[in-house]
Amino acid sequence: AQKVTQAQTEISVVEKEDVTLDCVYETRDTTYYLFWYKQPPSGELVFLIRRNSFDEQNEISGRYSWNFQKSTSSFNFTITASQVVDSAVYFCALSEADYGQNFVFGPGTRLSVLP
Amino acid sequence: EAGVAQSPRYKIIEKRQSVAFWCNPISGHATLYWYQQILGQGPKLLIQFQNNGVVDDSQLPKDRFSAERLKGVDSTLKIQPAKLEDSAVYLCASSRPGLAPSETQYFGPGTRLLVL
Repeated sequence: AQKVTQAQTEISVVEKEDVTLDCVYETRDTTYYLFWYKQPPSGELVFLIRRNSFDEQNEISGRYSWNFQKSTSSFNFTITASQVVDSAVYFCALSEADYGQNFVFGPGTRLSVLP
Repeated sequence: EAGVAQSPRYKIIEKRQSVAFWCNPISGHATLYWYQQILGQGPKLLIQFQNNGVVDDSQLPKDRFSAERLKGVDSTLKIQPAKLEDSAVYLCASSRPGLAPSETQYFGPGTRLLVL
């Protein structure tokens, strides 16, 4: 069965600090996809990144970077030099090949960046 | 490109009343989803459509919830009668044609429902 765990319920950092959001997943499939979404106070879920299970290459995009490790079933997300506008709830999600596009979302991590 | 549209944005009703939510997906997106997001939790899938056919409604409480997607474009989600525990944000999402698990879902702003 699919499961996504985000152990950090809430994180507070001061602006310009780096912050890493953790995501651990469970799946029996060898082919699956992982996603990160951001949900600002406005409520709309904003797509950030997608990774497939065959691509463990880590990625950096501006201030964002992702660390995918199949050995530990983790897909962590780091914001470098955080800004107040990064304050939001961040969700990790898993989609398995056998379940079409049925996403399973983690419970989310609320990030507060203080000025 | 216009995003996923939803209305209304907010709705307050009393228990046992009915309510309906509307969603218009991104143009050309054949797959449409309705999610329920209870405060403090991640979204939970209620129903998934591919064009106007239902792909997955296993988590839809069918005794009170119903959804339709006539003509394979707009969709309506209805609750009748509402219960207090239905208070949540109802999110609509869409993705490109096909059921590949890699397809990214794009979300609308959601409808916040409060049942009193």
